[in-house]
Order: sequence, then C-alpha cells, then structure tokens
Amino acid sequence: KAGVTQTPRYLIKTRGQQVTLSCSPISGHRSVSWYQQTPGQGLQFLFEYFSETQRNKGNFPGRFSGRQFSNSRSEMNVSTLELGDSALYLCASSKGGSGNTIYFGEGSWLTVV
Amino acid sequence: GENVEQHPSTLSVQEGDSAVIKCTYSDSASNYFPWYKQELGKRPQLIIDIRSNVGEKKDQRIAVTLNKTAKHFSLHITETQPEDSAVYFCAAGGNTGKLIFGQGTTLQVKP
Repeated sequence: KAGVTQTPRYLIKTRGQQVTLSCSPISGHRSVSWYQQTPGQGLQFLFEYFSETQRNKGNFPGRFSGRQFSNSRSEMNVSTLELGDSALYLCASSKGGSGNTIYFGEGSWLTVV
Repeated sequence: GENVEQHPSTLSVQEGDSAVIKCTYSDSASNYFPWYKQELGKRPQLIIDIRSNVGEKKDQRIAVTLNKTAKHFSLHITETQPEDSAVYFCAAGGNTGKLIFGQGTTLQVKP
C-alpha cells in the first residue's frame, strides 16, 4: 500500500513568488492535513481538508491556502513568498474519523531566497 | 488556546538506560495522543499512540501512559539503543486530522 506522496520534494523560490505543493494521501484516506516545520517554531498545523471541505484551520495568514479534489488529493499554495516561509511542508493523511491514525509524507523542502 | 508542552528539550542517556519524555496538553477535548520519531531529514514516523479511553499502552520497548485528569502523557523507552537517537514529538488531537505538537525532544543514546 503506497504511503503519503508529496511533490515536489525540494524547491527554491524567490521572494514575492508563489508556490503550489501537492499531496496524494494513502488510498482510502479522506482527510489531508498540512503542517509547516521550522527549527524555531517546530511543527505547526496549517489546515485540514476532509471530503473537499476545509474542516480545520491553523493560525497562518491568508497567503497560505489549500484545496482538496474529489480523489482526496490536495494542494497547498503560498502566495507572495517571504523569507520566513522557508520550511519543510508536511502533508498528513488519515481516514478522518474518531481515533484515526495520522501518517506523514516525506515533505516538501521550500527555500525562499 | 490549544497548547502542548513537552519536556525535556534534550535528553542524553547511556545505551541500555531508560528514557522518559513528558507532555502536557491544554485542550480538554483532546482524545488522541500520538508520538512521532523524526530522524534527520526524514518524515515524522508514528511509533505509538494512545486514546483517551486507555491509560497505558506498550509495544516492545516503548510504552505510553496517559493521565486525562492531569492532562499529562508520557513516553517511556526502555533498554535504549543508539538507533533510538532522534527527535521525538508528542501531539494531541481529536476526531479530525488536526494535531497540536509539542516542541520536540532530541534524544541522544550514547554507545
């Protein structure tokens, strides 16, 4: 059974640009969550999508957005990139119900220069 | 707001000793408490989890305990090995895909 797949794995962007990251969850999983990991702030929750609807949202500015497609695949977008957006962006998937186990993808390493 | 405090931030033990990492959460609605191990440059890997209807769970050398009244949960690793060296994260969640993470504990097991 394939795990959570994220693309691209590594990317470098310039300040002011925008970026789109993609995540394919484990087959059968309907919930996809996104997390930002930085050395200073640790692992922080961005948002969660379940059945194409945003179900939870963390404390990030509106420049961070996401969506989920009917096949449960998800994308997140960051517009007007800032240096501080450099981080590892992790996608996690789960079945989405009570007591569900959450699995992480390998992450997308974003560097903003 | 929702918060998870994790201690200690670093932990160094001799091979064969035990290691204990403790977490405290603030949201009373939390009912799911996973622990993840993250090696350098890799994804967080789930090592054990516990749900609020259980006080303790064990898997070989790893055990987790939960005290819902005190909002505390802990990870215990016995007979530590060098390959246990990594960053360990506790987290608290509910019935969705949202997890609030602790700040992480860097565990070093010295041969």
